[in-house]
Amino acid sequence: DAGVIQSPRHEVTEMGQEVTLRCKPISGHDYLFWYRQTMMRGLELLIYFNNNVPIDDSGMPEDRFSAKMPNASFSTLKIQPSEPRDSAVYFCASSQDRGRVQPQHFGDGTRLSIL
Amino acid sequence: ELKVEQNPLFLSMQEGKNYTIYCNYSTTSDRLYWYRQDPGKSLESLFVLLSNGAVKQEGRLMASLDTKARLSTLHITAAVHDLSATYFCAVDIEGKSTFGDGTTLTVKP
Repeated sequence: DAGVIQSPRHEVTEMGQEVTLRCKPISGHDYLFWYRQTMMRGLELLIYFNNNVPIDDSGMPEDRFSAKMPNASFSTLKIQPSEPRDSAVYFCASSQDRGRVQPQHFGDGTRLSIL
Repeated sequence: ELKVEQNPLFLSMQEGKNYTIYCNYSTTSDRLYWYRQDPGKSLESLFVLLSNGAVKQEGRLMASLDTKARLSTLHITAAVHDLSATYFCAVDIEGKSTFGDGTTLTVKP
């Protein structure tokens, strides 16, 4: 099993640019989560999907952030326009149906720096 | 709103000593997770606790859950340097996990 795959691993870009983060969940997992981790705010849930459908996006900071999951094997998190305060590590995680009681499996994260 | 509080946030201990990390949460939940994160790395699942009185052990780590007290503990026995990491508890409600701030553990020789 390849695990959750995120790309890119590192992204440095200038303020105002569009940033797209990508995630491939573990095959067969029904849930996909996007998190942001910073020293100041810790680990924050941004949005999560169940069977490709967004369930809760209340953690998305503002309209500049959007996430999609066009199919079971791919999701994107987009920031447009980006701002320096968006600098953080963004994690994608996936899990099987909660009835099976599985923990979340995290990707290696994307380290985003907005200059 | 669910609140998850861990303490201590920072813990420095000597090898061979025992210690306990606490995770308190504010709302009834049917499951709790413990994760480990090494510096610059991702989060790795350690334990899944599902019911009141649940106890799980892996090596020198033991986790327990008291749903009535809304408290989980992570007990470290005879700490070794390899256990140095940040430990997070996460409380799940209807598929959505809320994480504590993490406890950064440093084990010194």
